[in-house]
Amino acid sequence: QLQLQESGPGLVKPSETLSLTCTVSGGSISSSSYYRGWIRQPPGKGLEWIGSVHYGGNTYYNPSLKSRVTISLDTSEKQFSLKLSSVTAADTAMYYCARQGLGSHRPFDYWGQGTLVTVSS
Amino acid sequence: QSALTQPPSASGSPGQSVTISCTGTSSDVGDYNYVSWYQQHPGKAPKLIIYEVSKRPSGVPDRFSGSKSGNTASLTVSGLQAEDEAAYYCSSYAGSSNLVFGGGTKLTVL
Repeated sequence: QLQLQESGPGLVKPSETLSLTCTVSGGSISSSSYYRGWIRQPPGKGLEWIGSVHYGGNTYYNPSLKSRVTISLDTSEKQFSLKLSSVTAADTAMYYCARQGLGSHRPFDYWGQGTLVTVSS
Repeated sequence: QSALTQPPSASGSPGQSVTISCTGTSSDVGDYNYVSWYQQHPGKAPKLIIYEVSKRPSGVPDRFSGSKSGNTASLTVSGLQAEDEAAYYCSSYAGSSNLVFGGGTKLTVL
């Protein structure tokens, strides 16, 4: 059974960079067709797609976050990461990593449990 | 791109059917048959229950069904059960490798 697990600091100061890693286990998403994505959910609010990365390294970002987001793949294929720069309190959210499936238009079919990141001084 | 529009809440009694709408534009819902629905129980990660408008992943009960007309997609839950009480989110492909989610609908089983 494919499992994804987010990790990283739970507290980030305003103006700094949020960095998270997603570790994949129990299966493989190393197929060149699979995308991997990051989604966030502010407390009590809805889901927001942050961006996705393809096995080949191509990245796709939410236009509203594009200037601050970097998503990258680890060469081991078992990890991928998220960096969000110049964070503010509005970036406080539960952050999820997920497998997207065979194409950038595909849904997210496996999700991590999420990690809460709070932006505060 | 703007979030898809969902009603904040919906409700129904056990055994009844309830339909949740998801309204987008001609650039997302109206232009692609790539609408998905997710179920999220409190404190849990979202779970995919419908993809490509009306397809169900393995293991999802056939009480859940999806449809689309124009710029509006719909999720119908038939034979409501207590465990269906959750938040439901729609999502649509919006072109150029972009995805957009709806604001979510809290379903209450009375």
